[in-house]
Amino acid sequence: NAGVTQTPKFQVLKTGQSMTLQCAQDMNHEYMSWYRQDPGMGLRLIHYSVGAGITDQGEVPNGYNVSRSTTEDFPLRLLSAAPSQTSVYFCASSYKGRFPDTQYFGPGTRLTVL
Amino acid sequence: AQSVTQLGSHVSVSEGALVLLRCNYSSSVPPYLFWYVQYPNQGLQLLLKYTSAATLVKGINGFEAEFKKSETSFHLTKPSAHMSDAAEYFCAVSPRQGGKLIFGQGTELSVKP
Repeated sequence: NAGVTQTPKFQVLKTGQSMTLQCAQDMNHEYMSWYRQDPGMGLRLIHYSVGAGITDQGEVPNGYNVSRSTTEDFPLRLLSAAPSQTSVYFCASSYKGRFPDTQYFGPGTRLTVL
Repeated sequence: AQSVTQLGSHVSVSEGALVLLRCNYSSSVPPYLFWYVQYPNQGLQLLLKYTSAATLVKGINGFEAEFKKSETSFHLTKPSAHMSDAAEYFCAVSPRQGGKLIFGQGTELSVKP
């Protein structure tokens, strides 16, 4: 199994540009989520999904869109990039069980917005 | 609302010394707690988790954590630090239904030879 994969690994954008961060998992996990990591702030939840066709907002959703058309994929779209979105982005997935299960993280995408 | 506070953004220990990383949580319902480790330029991997079974939880690489409800704490310990333990450590809490985590600010652990 490849686990959770993310592309690209690095990206530089200009203010106002849009792009999509890709995330895929091959573990048939129902739950998927996106986090951003900033120094001194830990990881903060952007959006998450409990299954195909179902998404919800996290702590910092503004400026980001998501959709979940398949179990495997959960892309994150930046509509109009801003310097405040410079961050490292992590995608994660987990199994839907009786108790909260381990979240498996991808390797991250380092995004710089100029 | 649930939250997690990690005391100390940087901790430095000597090789062979005790590692103690502090985590306190706030939750109105029984919490589900996790510790993750992040090595430089990598994603996060699970060290251990508490899901209301035993209060003393053993994880990978010799780490363990004890859930103390009276102190609302879930501190991470390791009896003897190794150079390879140098990393950033995150404590996190999950709501009952799972699928998302609320993280603390992280603690960077340095190990001196």
